[in-house]
Amino acid sequence: AQRVTQPEKLLSVFKGAPVELKCNYSYSGSPELFWYVQYSRQRLQLLLRHISRESIKGFTADLNKGETSFHLKKPFAQEEDSAMYYCALSGQGAQKLVFGQGTRLTINP
Amino acid sequence: SAVISQKPSRDICQRGTSLTIQCQVDSQVTMMFWYRQQPGQSLTLIATANQGSEATYESGFVIDKFPISRPNLTFSTLTVSNMSPEDSSIYLCSVHLAGVVYNEQFFGPGTRLTVL
Repeated sequence: AQRVTQPEKLLSVFKGAPVELKCNYSYSGSPELFWYVQYSRQRLQLLLRHISRESIKGFTADLNKGETSFHLKKPFAQEEDSAMYYCALSGQGAQKLVFGQGTRLTINP
Repeated sequence: SAVISQKPSRDICQRGTSLTIQCQVDSQVTMMFWYRQQPGQSLTLIATANQGSEATYESGFVIDKFPISRPNLTFSTLTVSNMSPEDSSIYLCSVHLAGVVYNEQFFGPGTRLTVL
């Protein structure tokens, strides 16, 4: 079965501190992993995907198949990073997404 | 990218009634998806709507409760039938677009439904 787990519902850090949002997944094949973000009063949008290996808004995420993890990291948090973050998975070649519970990130000034 | 609109943006309904949510996309797409986000919960896929065929429902969701229409490549509706307070959720539609390098899924703004 496909499953995505985000163990932290809430995460609060100070501006300038490092941030790590955890995501673990369960999938029998080769998944595609994504991080979606929802800023206040905005719609859900894609932040980054593992296959692109990009850094978006200073965020990176590395797929660790051994640990079945896809943690989202940023070395220096900014106040505008405050948002709801969802880790999501799709099966290879599939289009539908399975989402984690989400982590609400708050960056304190 | 895709611009997706949903109507209504929110509604308060009485139990036992039905509500139809509309989803309009600014480009032609093969597959549209309907998700539900219950209070404090994650997004859960209800069904996949393909134009010209019956929607495919996920486990735990049935057509009688959530009938879906997909009359053309830019539009879909989701009906929440015989509503109960447990149906209070945000309902989102999304589309999958093929990009030059990567594919991407875009989401609508959601419809916030409260059932009394």
